Amino acid sequence: RKEVEQDPGPFNVPEGATVAFNCTYSNSASQSFFWYRQDCRKEPKLLMSVYSSGNEDGRFTAQLNRASQYISLLIRDSKLSDSATYLCVVNAGGGKLIFGQGTELSVKP
Amino acid sequence: GAGVSQSPSNKVTEKGKDVELRCDPISGHTALYWYRQSLGQGLEFLIYFQGNSAPDKSGLPSDRFSAERTGGSVSTLTIQRTQQEDSAVYLCASSSSGTGGYEQYFGPGTRLTVT
Repeated sequence: RKEVEQDPGPFNVPEGATVAFNCTYSNSASQSFFWYRQDCRKEPKLLMSVYSSGNEDGRFTAQLNRASQYISLLIRDSKLSDSATYLCVVNAGGGKLIFGQGTELSVKP
Repeated sequence: GAGVSQSPSNKVTEKGKDVELRCDPISGHTALYWYRQSLGQGLEFLIYFQGNSAPDKSGLPSDRFSAERTGGSVSTLTIQRTQQEDSAVYLCASSSSGTGGYEQYFGPGTRLTVT
């Protein structure tokens, strides 16, 4: 079993749609969690951290369920510029981050 | 301020040659990471430096791969006797362990092609 698993997609959605990505992790001792965004042929960039209480940043909402070892990212009112690959990332301890394979999102006009 | 920089941006080398990839982390960041990403694949962890501690080399795929970090700043990833399967984008990241959650900031990567 992979340490961090994501649905690879692609998710093809129209502008304005709401889309949700899910991620599961295997190490129950993991302490911190992130969503990164990676545009085609570019480096990953931090989108948001994921806190236990859930957190929101504009159109983006991240949730963490420690009991189920599950992380989610919700994007509301999607824009063309949201098209990218979204990477679920887990801190495996001591600063070492484990990246999921990524979920590809394509937002169409 | 300046972000993470990597050089060269592209490197084409013949099978069997050695290559060196360089990473300049964000000033003041104590942690530095190397990853590689093959076409259409996720990020594969290679090695992690944190301050003066011994590096975590658990992700290095073979003894042809090595890395060092001099003076707690610049890092060099060396691949000896390159093979075609080493072709990938090699990404470096740095983080400040003082911030919660170890958020990482990536450089633009070095695209390595082994012919």
